Amino acid sequence: EIVLTQSPGTLSLSPGERATLSCRASQSVRTDSVAWYQQKPGQAPRLLIYGASSRASGIPDRFTGSASGTDFTLTISRLEPEDFAVYYCQQYGSSPPLTFGGGTKVEIK
Amino acid sequence: QVQVVESGGGVVQPGRSLRLSCAASGFRFSSYGMHWVRQAPGKGLEWVALISYDGSNKFYADSVKGRFTISRDNSKNTLYLQMNSLRIEDTAVYYCATPLMAFLINSPLDYWGQGTLLTVSS
Repeated sequence: EIVLTQSPGTLSLSPGERATLSCRASQSVRTDSVAWYQQKPGQAPRLLIYGASSRASGIPDRFTGSASGTDFTLTISRLEPEDFAVYYCQQYGSSPPLTFGGGTKVEIK
Repeated sequence: QVQVVESGGGVVQPGRSLRLSCAASGFRFSSYGMHWVRQAPGKGLEWVALISYDGSNKFYADSVKGRFTISRDNSKNTLYLQMNSLRIEDTAVYYCATPLMAFLINSPLDYWGQGTLLTVSS
């Protein structure tokens, strides 16, 4: 089973700052099979990025995904107030089980 | 528009059974595999189970294998999760989710319901 490790656990930033979230896979993952989700308190997760770098429908272009080997990154170029949330990476390329990372909380500094 | 609505959660004792349902609308249900994902209170997301679009293939997380059964009724646009031998650690919000791409097993999860809370407690 592929394990995804997200870092940092918590990111404290101010609105307007750049956020860089990391997700590392324990073994090789198809680079076109990693997704990122945003979850706000009391809400279901929302798909942001799939295929490591493709934005889902309606997702603003300040959200960017990238990949390098087993390392995946979600970058939020300039944090808006509504971006403070928990972010999860997920791999869906290998046979099930699908796996999620442990999450990174982006909080207001 | 696409909607998935979970129901059936509640409070049950350890060892008992419960069935969750997920009613889908706004898309061709019979063309999409469907997932259950859960989230324990204050914890992260855990994938639980997947059923292929036609019900012929089913996959489970090790934590629920042999206890949970995923099924679907394409005539009713409904997904189910039969949960037996429930444990305290099964306490979570259970979400059903649709993949982004039809027919594919390997697809990110696009639409999520609001979830239904299962509490396993004596």
